[in-house]
Amino acid sequence: GAGVSQSPSNKVTEKGKDVELRCDPISGHTALYWYRQRLGQGLEFLIYFQGNSAPDKSGLPSDRFSAERTGESVSTLTIQRTQQEDSAVYLCASSLKGLAGEDQETQYFGPGTRLLVL
Amino acid sequence: AQKVTQAQTEISVVEKEDVTLDCVYETRDTTYYLFWYKQPPSGELVFLIRRNSFDEQNEISGRYSWNFQKSTSSFNFTITASQVVDSAVYFCALSDYSGNTGKLIFGQGTTLQVKP
Repeated sequence: GAGVSQSPSNKVTEKGKDVELRCDPISGHTALYWYRQRLGQGLEFLIYFQGNSAPDKSGLPSDRFSAERTGESVSTLTIQRTQQEDSAVYLCASSLKGLAGEDQETQYFGPGTRLLVL
Repeated sequence: AQKVTQAQTEISVVEKEDVTLDCVYETRDTTYYLFWYKQPPSGELVFLIRRNSFDEQNEISGRYSWNFQKSTSSFNFTITASQVVDSAVYFCALSDYSGNTGKLIFGQGTTLQVKP
């Protein structure tokens, strides 16, 4: 596909369960970002990947959140022992390159995964 | 610290009216980028524009125009002759170079409702 894709589009889970959210970036994009959008709010940065490395994890809200990226492509965001406050839309974005000092490439966003924790 | 403020939470206009969405930012970086994204009811963020901090020229794209003023740290967005399809949440964002990542700092968004 031409754009960023995410799966699942919707996820309902029970408190305490683990969930995995997947992101497929645009082919050839080395930078990948995860953001969280709570209802009626702006986007909050979670984690940044350059290639398969994550030089900035500063936005992850707790150690229940983790993410990995493989093959400089697909990324998975994992939330362990989900809590109700984790309910949000999780958005993934990719850009051609995201390093400071170079041209800031535009981030293109996927449709998001709506997570509801009951 | 970097910050983006969109003071207008909701704006309602009648079709064909012009509307301006305000964005004020704070940054210590000398080089930075500003962005506007549109989020229609479907939820997917749509890129509208990217502006480099060294380029203060205003830009026009069809019914859309942007006014970037470094002196007031503002990057306002105007829609001329609004249409119902313009109804969406609009986000202004600032690139954060402090962590050498290019991550975006978003404002809280402005919900625009265009009534027929």
